[in-house]
Formats: sequence, structure tokens, C-alpha cells
Amino acid sequence: GAVVSQHPSRVICKSGTSVKIECRSLDFQATTMFWYRQFPKKSLMLMATSNEGSKATYEQGVEKDKFLINHASLTLSTLTVTSAHPEDSSFYICSARPGTSGRVYEQYFGPGTRLTVT
Amino acid sequence: AQSVTQPDIHITVSEGASLELRCNYSYGATPYLFWYVQSPGQGLQLLLKYFSGDTLVQGIKGFEAEFKRSQSSFNLRKPSVHWSDAAEYFCAVGADTNAGKSTFGDGTTLTVKP
Repeated sequence: GAVVSQHPSRVICKSGTSVKIECRSLDFQATTMFWYRQFPKKSLMLMATSNEGSKATYEQGVEKDKFLINHASLTLSTLTVTSAHPEDSSFYICSARPGTSGRVYEQYFGPGTRLTVT
Repeated sequence: AQSVTQPDIHITVSEGASLELRCNYSYGATPYLFWYVQSPGQGLQLLLKYFSGDTLVQGIKGFEAEFKRSQSSFNLRKPSVHWSDAAEYFCAVGADTNAGKSTFGDGTTLTVKP
């Protein structure tokens, strides 16, 4: 149980276009989802926290107008990279916390999405 | 602000040998500490966590970690490594139990030799 999927696993887009990444909790309802960015050989950097039905909370330094996050349902959150540029190329990872969990440390990670902007 | 250092970028061990991955943290108060494993094509998985109490914590897959406040360390150990343990390992520290707000180290890549 507790499976999180991401789609697509890889995406290549041209500079200036937008790309949407989906994060789904497959067998549980997630009231909270997190979006991370991972640079090569580097740690995960938390970008934002999204709660179902409300606006995402962005970490300092993350452009909310560039990285649009929508958490419209208890099983789906999306990250849209708008007007993507080569510097946005990265590995994006989401995680989800079960809504029924009283354990705030509990989160399940998706396998990640490799974004390449050409 | 909290920070995490994983001094070893890459470690190679033989299958069946013991393993220790180092993690040093910086945080002014009581830290909440996590170890995760990331295998290719799979999401990060929580191996174990330390919040309080016994400083030696047991996790999944036969891993354990010891919290040493005096050394600001939370090293991960396994007595006998299996080939399937080859992966990327991340240590993380948080200001509270909210794992989503943790700060991650840069990771250690583990290679297992047959």
C-alpha cells in the first residue's frame, strides 16, 4: 500500500513552453502533498507544500508564478512549470501524506519526473 | 537554520560486509532525524527515524542508526549488506516531526560488489 505515482517520468520541452507534472496517491487519500526539486548529486529541496482545496505554501526563493501547484483532489496534485527555461531542467519529486495519518512525519514519495528544457 | 552533511559521496562495500554511512547535522535544538533510501526508478523510502528516547533506532531492511548528540551525528549501519542495498541514501534533519519540512543531505551512493 501507500503508492504514489508521477506522470510523466520523463519530459522534454522547448524553452518558453509550459509543462505539467502529475502526482497521484493511488491507494490512499492525501490531504497534504509536497513538491521537491533534486539537482544532480544533490539533496532534495522542498519547493512547496500543498493542502487539498487550498493554496500551496511556497518555500522562500521559489517563484510561485513559475511553479504553479494545484491540489484539487485528495489523490491528485499537479505542478506546472510555466515558461520553462533550461535552468528549470531538474528532477522533480512529489510526496504525499495520508489524510488519516496522525503522524506528520509520514510521507510517501513518487518516483520523480525528469524535466529537460531545450 | 538546520543543515546536514553526508561526508561520503560514494561508498563501495562487498556483499556481506558491514556498512556505516555517516551523517552529521547542525541544529540548535533537539533534532528530528531521518534516513531515506532512493533506488533507481523508485521513490524515496523511509528507513528509520529518531525523535526521542533510545538513541539506537531500528529500521526496515535490517538497518539501524545511532544518535550521538555529543558528536551531532546520526550514522546509519547495517551488519551485512546485500546486493539489493545498492542505492542512494539520504539523511535528513527537521525542526519537528513534520518530515516534509526536513533539510536533506546531499546523499551517499552505495555500490555493492559481488
